[in-house]
Amino acid sequence: GENVEQHPSTLSVQEGDSAVIKCTYSDSASNYFPWYKQELGKRPQLIIDIRSNVGEKKDQRIAVTLNKTAKHFSLHITETQPEDSAVYFCAAIGAGSYQLTFGKGTKLSVIP
Amino acid sequence: NAGVTQTPKFRVLKTGQSMTLLCAQDMNHEYMYWYRQDPGMGLRLIHYSVGEGTTAKGEVPDGYNVSRLKKQNFLLGLESAAPSQTSVYFCASSQIAGGLGNEQFFGPGTRLTVL
Repeated sequence: GENVEQHPSTLSVQEGDSAVIKCTYSDSASNYFPWYKQELGKRPQLIIDIRSNVGEKKDQRIAVTLNKTAKHFSLHITETQPEDSAVYFCAAIGAGSYQLTFGKGTKLSVIP
Repeated sequence: NAGVTQTPKFRVLKTGQSMTLLCAQDMNHEYMYWYRQDPGMGLRLIHYSVGEGTTAKGEVPDGYNVSRLKKQNFLLGLESAAPSQTSVYFCASSQIAGGLGNEQFFGPGTRLTVL
């Protein structure tokens, strides 16, 4: 089955700096890669996703890049703000699968 | 729309007791999922359903049973609770299968403690 590794497990940045979270996956058939944000005590919520036929996607201050050859994808947050502090999860799934496999999460702290 | 709701929000059980967690969605989604979230482990799929009357095992199904008698509801049962089942349980739903690139909407979670 799919295995998703996520790094780092914790990340602290100064407000205004950029943050990068990286994930690798094992199944070359995986074709959909969402990122979820989970604030303390809340439910996970989708913030951005990318499909395997696209190399990069942006939405305001967040962007995701995908390298299919290397089987890794990354989340980039620019101009970080305190409200970006949360746990971020990457995930991967293949076209024929119903099972979304999550990374173990990255706790991002943005220091004012 | 309420989205995805879960009942109860909190529960404390003794070892060996049974209980049922209820998930309901009002988005007419076909697919529903139960996850457990443990510290440092991310979200792991317990069971899922691709439609009314169907269920399937996920990554960590042992000790749990599920039923989907109505399209809008997905029940998770613990027949004989064990301390290892102490966790936060999230239900989710999606319009189409995740592999086709569709967002999963999560419920607020149920915090379960087994003593």
